[in-house]
Amino acid sequence: EPEVTQTPSHQVTQMGQEVILRCVPISNHLYFYWYRQILGQKVEFLVSFYNNEISEKSEIFDDQFSVERPDGSNFTLKIRSTKLEDSAMYFCASSDPANYGYTFGSGTRLTVV
Amino acid sequence: GENVEQHPSTLSVQEGDSAVIKCTYSDSASNYFPWYKQELGKGPQLIIDIRSNVGEKKDQRIAVTLNKTAKHFSLHITETQPEDSAVYFCAASNTGNQFYFGTGTSLTVIP
Repeated sequence: EPEVTQTPSHQVTQMGQEVILRCVPISNHLYFYWYRQILGQKVEFLVSFYNNEISEKSEIFDDQFSVERPDGSNFTLKIRSTKLEDSAMYFCASSDPANYGYTFGSGTRLTVV
Repeated sequence: GENVEQHPSTLSVQEGDSAVIKCTYSDSASNYFPWYKQELGKGPQLIIDIRSNVGEKKDQRIAVTLNKTAKHFSLHITETQPEDSAVYFCAASNTGNQFYFGTGTSLTVIP
């Protein structure tokens, strides 16, 4: 079964540093998403991406965040100048136009120290 | 925006019994309601979904019901098995783009 692949599985970074979280969506999917889950809290929407541009973003997705599809397979989330409160699980997901249901990756646990 | 509430936060059942998880939503424009199962160390996996033009959907031991008037939907798992133990999330969407998730229910099936 096709999978969404995320790397790394765990990232530790110092406060103020930049991190890039990487995702390889399912190859025939056209919609891509980032969500985050702070420990013990809801899964929260960050951003959706379609046709090489952001289609929706939440209030969480401020200027600190950016997304990019640098080539035909990768989808990245960049967090500039990380803060302690950015520590969370970050999930990438993708979907195809005919099916609302997402396929999630296994997540990247980001720890900001 | 949409607000999804989910109850209970934890649920323990004996193997073979049924489990029911309930969610409410606030935006009457929401028209798609998926349920996700998250096992430890993994991402959420879609297990069943329902659209607003349907009141009930069943897939083997799993069923979902939707009451649009009351704005609530429920997940029913019958004949529970230890491998059903996981965290379950409900979600709602009106675009298929942005999903609003509930807070999750940690289900434990006791052998």
